[in-house]
Amino acid sequence: DQQVKQNSPSLSVQEGRISILNCDYTNSMFDYFLWYKKYPAEGPTFLISISSIKDKNEDGRFTVFLNKSAKHLSLHIVPSQPGDSAVYFCAASARTGANNLFFGTGTRLTVIP
Amino acid sequence: DAGVIQSPRHEVTEMGQEVTLRCKPISGHNSLFWYRQTMMRGLELLIYFNNNVPIDDSGMPEDRFSAKMPNASFSTLKIQPSEPRDSAVYFCASRQGLRSLHFGNGTRLTVT
Repeated sequence: DQQVKQNSPSLSVQEGRISILNCDYTNSMFDYFLWYKKYPAEGPTFLISISSIKDKNEDGRFTVFLNKSAKHLSLHIVPSQPGDSAVYFCAASARTGANNLFFGTGTRLTVIP
Repeated sequence: DAGVIQSPRHEVTEMGQEVTLRCKPISGHNSLFWYRQTMMRGLELLIYFNNNVPIDDSGMPEDRFSAKMPNASFSTLKIQPSEPRDSAVYFCASRQGLRSLHFGNGTRLTVT
């Protein structure tokens, strides 16, 4: 049973515009959330994270928003660049650094030049 | 730093054969993880080791799967006998303490 869900398998955005990737979770014990980015033929790489004590975390062009009441988080990329084209995985755990990270199925982002 | 190194990159085998996937974690990392990626389930944790000791193998799908970490610089994931439904990309990841995971480039396994 998927505890972390990414319901959009793919997303296409024009270069320069905003990309919004969504993620929902079901386990109310989750309190730490991460986004990983994956290029073809490579492993996922850590992008950005957020703890449940915050509702927003920003790192350059990347911002993650957390809505605990809705059990929803989103990743905003502004402005989107062609190099952002990749698969993005949402992940969650029950405590910071917990060994069992639960991943979603990923969203493939394509940024059109 | 060479990162997490996995071998082979691709493995094609026939049903019933034994498959061994290999992983060299980043030097100094004390935790190692094996994940499996499928379209339907995304990334699933199979097993993880802390200081070379298996801590949680509840994600290992069946007794056909086994993993070892004989020392801090090497781990194997073995499937015996392999089945077509084992076809997936298998990732190894490592980390130091509670920091973020560093993944290898994966092994794409195809069982025919």
